[in-house]
Amino acid sequence: DTGVSQNPRHKITKRGQNVTFRCDPISEHNRLYWYRQTLGQGPEFLTYFQNEAQLEKSRLLSDRFSAERPKGSFSTLEIQRTEQGDSAMYLCASRQGSQETQYFGPGTRLLVL
Amino acid sequence: DAKTTQPPSMDCAEGRAANLPCNHSTISGNEYVYWYRQIHSQGPQYIIHGLKNNETNEMASLIITEDRKSSTLILPHATLRDTAVYYCIVRATGFQKLVFGTGTRLLVSP
Repeated sequence: DTGVSQNPRHKITKRGQNVTFRCDPISEHNRLYWYRQTLGQGPEFLTYFQNEAQLEKSRLLSDRFSAERPKGSFSTLEIQRTEQGDSAMYLCASRQGSQETQYFGPGTRLLVL
Repeated sequence: DAKTTQPPSMDCAEGRAANLPCNHSTISGNEYVYWYRQIHSQGPQYIIHGLKNNETNEMASLIITEDRKSSTLILPHATLRDTAVYYCIVRATGFQKLVFGTGTRLLVSP
């Protein structure tokens, strides 16, 4: 399968713990995006990378959230001191710079108890 | 905020065409119309996109009105596996993020 992959697919954690998610984009896609989706809503944009540079961040991305893409390939999204309001599906998407279409991964579903 | 308006839900009989409308009356000249769908508990799946001409691929057809203020996604022969939430999105070239609304929940029944 050469699509976008995300790990883990599910994560249950206790409030106050830190969690980290990983996204592996489609090979040679230099643009990578993170979105968050809560129940009954469409996905909301969090942040965007072009290669290793983080070029745009949503105001939804509080100080407890940090995203990296150290070598311009895979990306990680870390949430520190999780809160129950962080419970959501975290989606990653990628696209090739010369094309307009973003392709999404299966998501990581986070539940904070 | 999303720049599109879609009905919250629609029903379709299996084997019939599903026509999903989208209103984007404030669309700008450089904005494309994208359609994605999301099957329960999966990531959004790209379907089709267009600027002003009608488009067709193996999944669907996209009909955009001449004034570009609305569009229709057509699934020619809906199957049970087409049951999903369908999102219509407008995005300008060079603008990075996709702004999703709440979409249309399509239920295909036998």
